[in-house]
Amino acid sequence: EVQLVESGGGLVQPGGSLRLSCAASGFTFSSYWMSWVRQAPGKGLEWVANIKQDGSEKYYVDSVKGRFTISRDNAKNSLYLQMNSLRAEDTAVYYCAREGGTTLGWAFDIWGQGTMVTVSS
Amino acid sequence: EIVLTQSPGTLSLSPGERATLSCRASQSVSSSYLAWYQQKPGQAPRLLIYGASSRATGIPDRFSGSGSGTDFTLTISRLEPEDFAVYYCQQYGSSGTFGQGTKVEIK
Repeated sequence: EVQLVESGGGLVQPGGSLRLSCAASGFTFSSYWMSWVRQAPGKGLEWVANIKQDGSEKYYVDSVKGRFTISRDNAKNSLYLQMNSLRAEDTAVYYCAREGGTTLGWAFDIWGQGTMVTVSS
Repeated sequence: EIVLTQSPGTLSLSPGERATLSCRASQSVSSSYLAWYQQKPGQAPRLLIYGASSRATGIPDRFSGSGSGTDFTLTISRLEPEDFAVYYCQQYGSSGTFGQGTKVEIK
């Protein structure tokens, strides 16, 4: 079964750090771009970052540049999001998602169940 | 940066009715890179449409997408009870910008 499972969310104080993980299974992880998408409580979806198959290209939404780092370990079929200098506005459910590639117009065809990050004192 | 604006914000309809959702881009978007997602409460989004008009695997044919340039539409021909949800459009450039969503609720 094709699956993405996120972990690592929790409660953290403003200015703190957290590392999210996403474990992939059921497909060739190293063949796909991967993204992180977040959703603040009661709000819409916001793309956060993505990473190329070999990790050589990474892109971020402006609001997290310099604070978040996306990475991957293809040997472990895992995607990561290191989040530093966290702010209250980073509070959200964080989803990892597979980008479907050229055949799907790069749409996000597989999503994890999400992990909640709460930034509060 | 391309901004996607969805309308209406909320659509109140009855089962069996037709739903028409709009997604307008601030600048031209390649049809190849326009997608639609469905999200139900407490669940992850699900891909419905990619390439503006192609249905994803397992998506019923009552869902259809159309449009080009800056104007795109998701149509649900006859609403089933399980279709009441929030729908998002997305464009893919070097990033994956989403619209703010349209909620389809039971009238």
